[in-house]
Amino acid sequence: QSVLTQPPSVSAAPGERVTISCSGSTSNIGNNLVSWYQQLPGTAPKLLIYENNKRPSGIPDRFSGSKSGTSATLGITGLQTGDEADYYCATWDSSLTAGIFGGGTKLTVL
Amino acid sequence: EEQLVESGGGLVQPGGSLRLSCAASGVTFSPYWVNWVRQAPGKGLVWVSRISSDGSSRNYADSVKGRFTISRDNAKNTLYLQMNSLRAEDTAVYYCARGSFAGGFDYWGQGTLVTVSS
Repeated sequence: QSVLTQPPSVSAAPGERVTISCSGSTSNIGNNLVSWYQQLPGTAPKLLIYENNKRPSGIPDRFSGSKSGTSATLGITGLQTGDEADYYCATWDSSLTAGIFGGGTKLTVL
Repeated sequence: EEQLVESGGGLVQPGGSLRLSCAASGVTFSPYWVNWVRQAPGKGLVWVSRISSDGSSRNYADSVKGRFTISRDNAKNTLYLQMNSLRAEDTAVYYCARGSFAGGFDYWGQGTLVTVSS
């Protein structure tokens, strides 16, 4: 069980919007920056969002990130079938002195 | 081509040792923190360890502390993970990843599978 809590799965239709939550505490999300990763089946993870809400070059603006208090959210608009993947949040935990990933959320585009 | 390439995985008996390597090619390596992240079959990502750009600072997950040692050779653009006293629960694909939790892990290797079994 991860220190960061994500819903195991979310689903939506093509073209719709979906959000994935990541809940933590003051020792991690509350006082550290959050990043988000997409892992397509059988591939290595890919950076989607860093520093809570910044997108690396090449990541479309359909992907967005936000943080409020001890929770972070990944938003995806204009869903495509190619967005079907596992999504992970990640941050540093100052109390554990360790990095942590959320348990992951499987996105299904119906 | 910009890439990180892991090697050194394989089948090892419980209690055994393995040394993983991660070679950077076309990827700027020396100014960055570098990490090991693992993923057990069918499970999520788990951070294992990180090392600072000059190797002076290292952190480990509690589950591997005292058994695993991270190191790097910036002259060879290579990251290492020495894994001792291996357990069945260490079975996973091990990825190396460049970056920090703040700035994100922007480059990942393809992973190398470690299987601990008798």
